[in-house]
Amino acid sequence: DAMVIQNPRYQVTQFGKPVTLSCSQTLNHNVMYWYQQKSSQAPKLLFHYYDKDFNNEADTPDNFQSRRPNTSFCFLDIRSPGLGDAAMYLCATSRDLTADRGTETQYFGPGTRLLVL
Amino acid sequence: TQLLEQSPQFLSIQEGENLTVYCNSSSVFSSLQWYRQEPGEGPVLLVTVVTGGEVKKLKRLTFQFGDARKDSSLHITAAQTGDTGLYLCAGGWGKFQFGAGTQVVVTP
Repeated sequence: DAMVIQNPRYQVTQFGKPVTLSCSQTLNHNVMYWYQQKSSQAPKLLFHYYDKDFNNEADTPDNFQSRRPNTSFCFLDIRSPGLGDAAMYLCATSRDLTADRGTETQYFGPGTRLLVL
Repeated sequence: TQLLEQSPQFLSIQEGENLTVYCNSSSVFSSLQWYRQEPGEGPVLLVTVVTGGEVKKLKRLTFQFGDARKDSSLHITAAQTGDTGLYLCAGGWGKFQFGAGTQVVVTP
């Protein structure tokens, strides 16, 4: 009963060659997130979508873009991967994103491990 | 900026021993989540605590949310090798943040 699905689980790309990672969800959640996680570190939020509204973190490089064509799918595009972009990329969802009531629990996919050669 | 500090950073124990990891902040959190992450996998939600002073149990795991909702602890009784993983606390007020995690290694 997978709820947040990420494909592929492992992705190898070449330095500078564009790559797309995908995420889908069966939870019908409004919010989808992309995180980057490097070894022995906490996940770092890159951006999120609240419905169709895109919210970029201030320190996310322009090299990272995202698309959400519908509620279920969200893509992470890395336009020109560098060696420093090798990491685990995690997709997560939450039902809502409400500052007044506090935070919503996030549900994570299994991640895509990106290797840049 | 709300910061979540986890301690210890690393913990190695033998099977059957007990352990406690901590998550602290100088700010109040509306809710706090605990996740366990195994190598090569995404974080898996263990529990969400919402009410100050709340205690939740999940088999051998006991989670506590501080009365002031600024801190939380995770206690594992009689640890097993399957408990090995990175334990992350996360939460916030509006903006979701992660602590740096506690790496737990349980050896046979």
